[in-house]
Amino acid sequence: SQKIEQNSEALNIQEGKTATLTCNYTNYSPAYLQWYRQDPGRGPVFLLLIRENEKEKRKERLKVTFDTTLKQSLFHITASQPADSATYLCALVMDTGRRALTFGSGTRLQVQP
Amino acid sequence: ETGVTQTPRHLVMGMTNKKSLKCEQHLGHNAMYWYKQSAKKPLELMFVYSLEERVENNSVPSRFSPECPNSSHLFLHLHTLQPEDSALYLCASSQRILAAHTYNEQFFGPGTRLTVL
Repeated sequence: SQKIEQNSEALNIQEGKTATLTCNYTNYSPAYLQWYRQDPGRGPVFLLLIRENEKEKRKERLKVTFDTTLKQSLFHITASQPADSATYLCALVMDTGRRALTFGSGTRLQVQP
Repeated sequence: ETGVTQTPRHLVMGMTNKKSLKCEQHLGHNAMYWYKQSAKKPLELMFVYSLEERVENNSVPSRFSPECPNSSHLFLHLHTLQPEDSALYLCASSQRILAAHTYNEQFFGPGTRLTVL
């Protein structure tokens, strides 16, 4: 069966450290992958997009990697701040078929001051 | 603000009521989507519209009826819902329909928190 797995347990880290979140998928052939941030009671907000032929993408303190052999994406936030506390969702767009995002269930990040 | 608005933000309805959720995007996008988000579950795609034409219906029960009168507005009409339909309903838009080589992101509204009694 097709699955997108993100760590369902909350990730707690200290301010200033690097947060690393994982997204693993099985039985999908994604054309590209996106990461979103969601705050409680609000809609997801787009952060980064990485294509299947890209290994790494950066934007300010954010970095995403995409390994289609391992079927995994890693999302890093460097120099984390309490304001980074939120739920982070990974989402795939397939190379064929469905014309929308398929989401993982998200990982909640808590950055302690 | 993402440029996508949803009303109402909160809705409580009985199982026999009929209500509608409204979504409007001010971004000039051509594709709009409805998602359902239940606690501890991934966002579930419900419907996809491209240029006012429904292009995907993700096996959604007929008690949910979408309407897209133009490319800026999307409605979700609700009737005879069940308590398990209680969830956050999210509307989203993208410049073009998502596909392998369009590399679009989605812009989400704030959602409507629906409670069915």
